[in-house]
Amino acid sequence: GEDVEQSLFLSVREGDSSVINCTYTDSSSTYLYWYKQEPGAGLQLLTYIFSNMDMKQDQRLTVLLNKKDKHLSLRIADTQTGDSAIYFCAETLSGGYNKLIFGAGTRLAVHP
Amino acid sequence: EAGVTQSPTHLIKTRGQQATLRCSPISGHTSVYWYQQALGLGLQFLLWYDEGEERNRGNFPPRFSGRQFPNYSSELNVNALELEDSALYLCASNLPGGEVSNQPQHFGDGTRLSIL
Repeated sequence: GEDVEQSLFLSVREGDSSVINCTYTDSSSTYLYWYKQEPGAGLQLLTYIFSNMDMKQDQRLTVLLNKKDKHLSLRIADTQTGDSAIYFCAETLSGGYNKLIFGAGTRLAVHP
Repeated sequence: EAGVTQSPTHLIKTRGQQATLRCSPISGHTSVYWYQQALGLGLQFLLWYDEGEERNRGNFPPRFSGRQFPNYSSELNVNALELEDSALYLCASNLPGGEVSNQPQHFGDGTRLSIL
């Protein structure tokens, strides 16, 4: 079935790397996305990966996809206080008519 | 380039009333999506419009409806409002891409609907 799971909370020290994890259940995933939501705002697209890719890097962001384990991760290098937000993992499915299926979101807290 | 814009920012209604939420997509985007972000329920897909037609619908009652205009802007209408309709309603748009689009959805800042 359609299910995307994330851990709810992550706390890191400023300057360290953050790794946010996500697992999904449906093997017909086509694209997997990471969105960021700051308080009172909408969703900001951070990056996305096609399901036949293993890795994508974009400046401080690295996405890793393990299709066998249905596991997606987002690594943020040199985490800053401005990275504090909720991060949502999402997928679209083959035959899913572009519906985004979201995880519950991981709240990232960056402390000095 | 202007992003997805939504209006109003906040909307306060009472039970039984009707609400209309509006969305303007990014220029050149023909698809518009609506999502509900309710406390405790997460982000749920509501509707997808493309070229003026409803293409997909989430698991919501028929009192949630909408339309897309020739300029690709969209309205979400919620009739007979209930307390549990209180949520942030997010609109997204993307470039044409068919039923399995490789074009990511870009979101607006949402309309916060409060039902008293």
